[in-house]
Amino acid sequence: DQQVKQNSPSLSVQEGRISILNCDYTNSMFDYFLWYKKYPAEGPTFLISISSIKDKNEDGRFTVFLNKSAKHLSLHIVPSQPGDSAVYFCAASQIQGAQKLVFGQGTRLTINP
Amino acid sequence: DARVTQTPRHKVTEMGQEVTMRCQPILGHNTVFWYRQTMMQGLELLAYFRNRAPLDDSGMPKDRFSAEMPDATLATLKIQPSEPRDSAVYFCASGLGGNQPQHFGDGTRLSIL
Repeated sequence: DQQVKQNSPSLSVQEGRISILNCDYTNSMFDYFLWYKKYPAEGPTFLISISSIKDKNEDGRFTVFLNKSAKHLSLHIVPSQPGDSAVYFCAASQIQGAQKLVFGQGTRLTINP
Repeated sequence: DARVTQTPRHKVTEMGQEVTMRCQPILGHNTVFWYRQTMMQGLELLAYFRNRAPLDDSGMPKDRFSAEMPDATLATLKIQPSEPRDSAVYFCASGLGGNQPQHFGDGTRLSIL
């Protein structure tokens, strides 16, 4: 039972264009969502988060959108840069209580020059 | 920048041997998490602590895995006896709880022969 799904294992985008990574979840109890970026041989690095009381959060080139009714979130990166090439994980949890993160399987983003 | 430190970074050992992985959380963080990453299962939570007290270890095989926090600066994950199916990358993360993100170490890559 995969509660958080990233249906695209990989994505290739031209440098300077927009990258859009998608994530779906099934557990309506989740109220806090995060995106992590992971380079090879390193741990996941926190990128951006959003709580369920918002539908958008922006930080520089990164914007996360949350559609609660569709149980869907997306990460937009614009403009995409070569250093953005990495695996991106979507994660979900509940703010109260455990804060246990449930991760998606990840999407490998490649930015082409 | 403060970081979560994990040792060793790599471990290769034979089946049946005891394995101990260590984690130094970020100073001041009161929650510590252990995750395992495999190709098949992705990133999955094994156990976590709050204020050094174990809160949930339902993700761990109880018969061979144990997690402890001897003090606020050290968390350990032990496997005894180890099996080839335990081969994975084990990540430790720490955080402040609530809507604060977890910060990950760079992992211990474990290979059981």
